[in-house]
Formats: sequence, C-alpha cells, structure tokens
Amino acid sequence: GAGVSQSPRYKVAKRGQDVALRCDPISGHVSLFWYQQALGQGPEFLTYFQNEAQLDKSGLPSDRFFAERPEGSVSTLKIQRTQQEDSAVYLCASTERRGAAPDTQYFGPGTRLTVL
Amino acid sequence: KQEVTQIPAALSVPEGENLVLNCSFTDSAIYNLQWFRQDPGKGLTSLLLIQSSQREQTSGRLNASLDKSSGRSTLYIAASQPGDSATYLCAVRPGVVDKLIFGTGTRLQVFP
Repeated sequence: GAGVSQSPRYKVAKRGQDVALRCDPISGHVSLFWYQQALGQGPEFLTYFQNEAQLDKSGLPSDRFFAERPEGSVSTLKIQRTQQEDSAVYLCASTERRGAAPDTQYFGPGTRLTVL
Repeated sequence: KQEVTQIPAALSVPEGENLVLNCSFTDSAIYNLQWFRQDPGKGLTSLLLIQSSQREQTSGRLNASLDKSSGRSTLYIAASQPGDSATYLCAVRPGVVDKLIFGTGTRLQVFP
C-alpha cells in the first residue's frame, strides 16, 4: 500500500474486555514500532520489531499488553482486560531500515481506543 | 533518562508571521532529531530529519536547526499560513536504540 494503515480507526471497549489493534506497515519495511499517545501528550514508545523479532518491549506498560508480528509484516497489538487508563491513540510506524540511510519513521493514522 | 521538552505549548498568530518553535533535550548523545506535524485525528507526518552530524535542514518554508551540545533544536516557519495550523512534535532518537522519544508538542494556530 501507499502508506501505513491501521484498523480499526476507532474502538470502544468496556472495562475488562480484550482488544486487538492491527497495523499494516509499508510493503517491504523491515522495522515496525508501536506508540501510545494520551490526550494532549506526545507519543510514547511501546515496542519495536525488526522483521518478526521483537527487539524491544520495554515500553509496554503492563503484562496485559502483548504485540506480535509473526510473518514480519502485519503486526497486532493486543490489550487484555482493558482499563480506563488504556484509553489513548495507538500509533504504528514503519521504517525501511536500509543500512546507514536516514530512517524516517512513517506513521499510520492511529487507532483511538476508548475504555468505558 | 532522555527527556524532550517543547516550548511554547500553544501558539496563535496571524497569517504571514515568521515563527520559531523550540525543542530541548537532556541527553546530547542522539543519533538524529526529527520534526513531525500532527493534524487532528491523523497520524504524524515527518517534516525534517537532522542527523547528529548536521546543523540544519531546510524544506520549503521550514528550517530546522540542531545544536547538539546545548541540547536544542528550533523549527523556523517562514510566512505562516492557515494551513500550517497543526501540532508540531519534536522527537529524538537515542544513539543505540531505534525508538523515538517525543516532546509534548506545540499546538499552532494561524488565523487569516
């Protein structure tokens, strides 16, 4: 595709429900990132994949958060037993990652999660 | 721990003014710094990326400078237009890991 796509764009969940957020990176992009953006704040790093390998998950706020990228392209961020504090926009980004070239991160439109 | 701060938090100016948005970071050991634009309900659009060895980058009416030793970057917008209204985010990439560390943004409104 032409850019990074995310689905759904909006998700409303009742507290305690599980949710799954999908990210389709730009075709051929090796690296994929997930960020969480609370209202009025800048995005905060959650986790990073290079191909199918999850190289950094230091930003995941709790063990309720889980991310996967089994075939090195599409990624899913899963949140179990959602809490109100999980309400945020979840952004996905990908980079081409070719050697030493400047690695601009290309962002998707985000998924706005509201937990009631 | 790297922290990124942006000043001002919000800015409202008449069309045609030249603007300076400020970004500061606490750890000078960065790989690069990137300026993004975010429109309501949309993702981030990369505006300029400055490698740690560079001093500035220019694209059209935008100019970004980097002073790594003092931990500062500025985004200069010339001849502002209403279409420039958006939130501008500064992000640094630490020297080793790939993640970006963002500031809280400057919300810009340019009125006709």
